[in-house]
Amino acid sequence: EVQLLESGGGLVQPGGSLRLSCAASGFTFSSYAMSWVRQAPGTGLEWVSAISDGGYSTYYADSVKGRFTISRDNSKNTLYLQMNSLRAEDTAVYYCAKRIVGASCFDYWGQGTLVTVSS
Amino acid sequence: DIQMTQSPSTLSASVGDRVTITCRASQSISTWLAWYQQKPGRAPKLLIYKASTLESGVPSRFSGSGSGTEFTLTISSLQPDDFATYYCQQYNSYPYTFGQGTKLEIK
Repeated sequence: EVQLLESGGGLVQPGGSLRLSCAASGFTFSSYAMSWVRQAPGTGLEWVSAISDGGYSTYYADSVKGRFTISRDNSKNTLYLQMNSLRAEDTAVYYCAKRIVGASCFDYWGQGTLVTVSS
Repeated sequence: DIQMTQSPSTLSASVGDRVTITCRASQSISTWLAWYQQKPGRAPKLLIYKASTLESGVPSRFSGSGSGTEFTLTISSLQPDDFATYYCQQYNSYPYTFGQGTKLEIK
């Protein structure tokens, strides 16, 4: 059974940093591109970042480019999102999501981890 | 960036109704479109990808169509479990973008 388990969320002050982790199991993690998608309270979904299966290619939404860094450790079956210079508008539930075979949409999602940026 | 616009934003319907949700892209995305269902407090669930391919395990009352810039998600006969929010997503190019969502409510 595919499982994605996010951790690392919490309350952080504006300008602060946080690192999210997503532990994957039940599939060959190193064979799949992965993404982070977020959802601010009461709003819709926003794609944040993606990383290729080998970790060599990364992509970002304009809203986080230069502040967030996606990475992965295939030996640990873990996806990361390093978030720096956090802003109030980064407050959201952050989901990690597994890309489906042959298409860049997402067939498995984690349960999400809440990041709150507030003083 | 490609903008995705869903309509309507809210839809009131009854069990057994046939409903259609529309998603329009600001430029052509061929058939690189997915539909998701999300219930409160839960992660999204993939329903359809490549505009019309039903994800494994999804009931056949869900169907998708369209190409280019206009797409539809149809539920042929609403069931109580279908009342949720639905999102489209384009994956033609980065940055991937979602529609703003359509909340399907019980009439």
